[in-house]
Order: sequence, then C-alpha cells, then structure tokens
Amino acid sequence: EAGVTQSPTHLIKTRGQQATLRCSPISGHTSVYWYQQALGLGLQFLLWYDEGEERNRGNFPPRFSGRQFPNYSSELNVNALELEDSALYLCASDHREYNQPQHFGDGTRLSIL
Amino acid sequence: AQSVAQPEDQVNVAEGNPLTVKCTYSVSGNPYLFWYVQYPNRGLQFLLKYITGDNLVKGSYGFEAEFNKSQTSFHLKKPSALVSDSALYFCAVIRKSGGYQKVTFGTGTKLQVIP
Repeated sequence: EAGVTQSPTHLIKTRGQQATLRCSPISGHTSVYWYQQALGLGLQFLLWYDEGEERNRGNFPPRFSGRQFPNYSSELNVNALELEDSALYLCASDHREYNQPQHFGDGTRLSIL
Repeated sequence: AQSVAQPEDQVNVAEGNPLTVKCTYSVSGNPYLFWYVQYPNRGLQFLLKYITGDNLVKGSYGFEAEFNKSQTSFHLKKPSALVSDSALYFCAVIRKSGGYQKVTFGTGTKLQVIP
C-alpha cells in the first residue's frame, strides 16, 4: 500500500510570491489534513478536507487556502509569502472510520528567502 | 473541547535505561489515544493506540503505553532505551464530532538517548 505522498520535497520562494503544495492520500482515505511545523516544533493545524469540502480550519490568515479534488488529493496554497511561513508542511490522511490513526507524508520544506 | 498536554519539552535518558515520555489528556467521553514518533525531516509515524481493553498497550519498536483513567494519563514507556530512539514524540487524542473524528496533538517531547 502506497503511503501519503507530498510534492515537492523542498520549495524555495521569496517574500510576496505564491506557493502550491500537493498531497496524495492513501488509497481509500477520504480526509486530508494539513499541518504547519516550524523549526521541528509542535504541529499547528491548518486545514481539514473531507469529500471535497473544507470541514475545519485552524487559526491561520486567509492567504492560506486549499482544496480537495474528486480523487481526494489536495492542494495547499499560500499567497503573499512571508518569512515566518518558512516551515515543514505536513499532510495526513485517514478514513472516515473512527479510531484509526492518521497517516502522514514526509512533508514539504518551504523556505522563504 | 479536548486537549493534550506533554509537560516535558525534552527528556534525556542513558542508553539501556528505561524511558518514560509523559502525556495527559482532557476529553469528554471515552478517550481514544495515540502516540506518534517523528525522525528528523520526516513525517509522523504511528506507534500505538489505546481504544479500549487492557490498560497496557504494546506498539512498534518495543514501545508500550499505560492508560490511567483516574489520572487521565497515557505515558509512553520502553524498558531499555536505544540511541536510535532519539526523536520527537507526539501524543494525540481523538474525539468523534458530527460523524467525523477530530484529532488534537500535544506539543511534542524531544527524546535524547545518551550513549
């Protein structure tokens, strides 16, 4: 079974640019979650998508947005990049079935110069 | 509302000694608890979970966790630490909400195993 895949592995941008990060969930998983992790610290919840709809959103400005496609893959878009957006962005997926753990990808390292 | 607390930012232990990484939780209803490990520049990997049943749960890589309902704790343990266990550990709690599960992660504890 293929795991959660994220692309690109690394992304370098400058202030003010826009970044697009991609995530493919495990086959059969309908929910996708996005997290921001700065400097190897804790996870900050960004967004949760299920069945193509945004179900919940963390405490982030509107320039963080995303979507989920009919095949359940997802994109995270960050507009007007700021230096503090530099972080590891992790995607996770799970099935609607209760009590199952989330499965994580290895993340996209976004660096803002 | 639900929350998870990992009171120690870092735990240092000598190789071969037992290790404990602490986690306490607050959730309405029955708790569903998880431990994950994160190695540098990698995503989180699932270690073990408690749903119901025995209070001592065994997981991957020789880790186990003890569920204590009265103390609302779910501490991660290993009898003999390895240098390769050095990583970041996250505790998480799940609550069912509106037909979906909502996950809350702790802030993480860095485990350093000293040779």
